[in-house]
Amino acid sequence: ETGVTQSPTHLIKTRGQQVTLRCSSQSGHNTVSWYQQALGQGPQFIFQYYREEENGRGNFPPRFSGLQFPNYSSELNVNALELDDSALYLCASSFPQGASTDTQYFGPGTRLTVL
Amino acid sequence: AQSVTQLDSHVSVSEGTPVLLRCNYSSSYSPSLFWYVQHPNKGLQLLLKYTSAATLVKGINGFEAEFKKSETSFHLTKPSAHMSDAAEYFCVVSDLYTGRRALTFGSGTRLQVQP
Repeated sequence: ETGVTQSPTHLIKTRGQQVTLRCSSQSGHNTVSWYQQALGQGPQFIFQYYREEENGRGNFPPRFSGLQFPNYSSELNVNALELDDSALYLCASSFPQGASTDTQYFGPGTRLTVL
Repeated sequence: AQSVTQLDSHVSVSEGTPVLLRCNYSSSYSPSLFWYVQHPNKGLQLLLKYTSAATLVKGINGFEAEFKKSETSFHLTKPSAHMSDAAEYFCVVSDLYTGRRALTFGSGTRLQVQP
C-alpha cells in the first residue's frame, strides 16, 4: 500500500509568482485535505476535496485554490505569492466513514520559500 | 467552533521517566480527538485517536491518552520516555459541526528527552 506522496519536496519562489503543489492520496482514499504549517506553529486547514468537489474551506483567501482529479490526486495552487506564504504545505488523505472518526494520513510536505 | 489548547509549549524529561503532555479542547459537537507526532523535517504521524468507544486510548510506541469530558481534556502520557520520543506533538480535534472533517491543531508541544 502506497502512502501519501507530495511533490516537490522544496520550492523557492519570488513574491508575486504563482505555484502549484501536488499530492497523491493513499490507495483507496477519496478525500484530500491541505494544511499550511508556518514555522513554529501547528498546521492550519486550507481546504478539503471529496470526490473532486471542494468540501470545506478554512480562513484562506481565494488566491489559494485547488483541484482534485478522478484518481483522487490533488493540486494546491497559490497565486500572487506573498512572503507570509512561506511555510510547509501538508497534504492528507482519508476515507470518510460516516462519522467524525476518519483518520487523515499525512504526506511529508512541500517546503515553500517565498523571497 | 472547535479549538485546542496545548498547555505547554516545551516539556523536558529524562530518559526512562514518565511523559505528560497536556491538552484541553473545545467543541460544539461530539468530537474526535487525535495526537499526532512530527519528527524534524518529517510529516505528521498518527499516535492515537479517540472516537467515543473507550475513554482510555492506547496508541503506538507505548503512548496512551485519556478522554475526560468533565474536564474537556485529552492528555497524552507514556510511562517511560525514550530518546527517540523527542519530537513535536500536536493535539487535534475534529467534529462535524460544519459538515466537514477538518482537523484543528493545537500549537504543539516540543518534547525534549535528556540522556
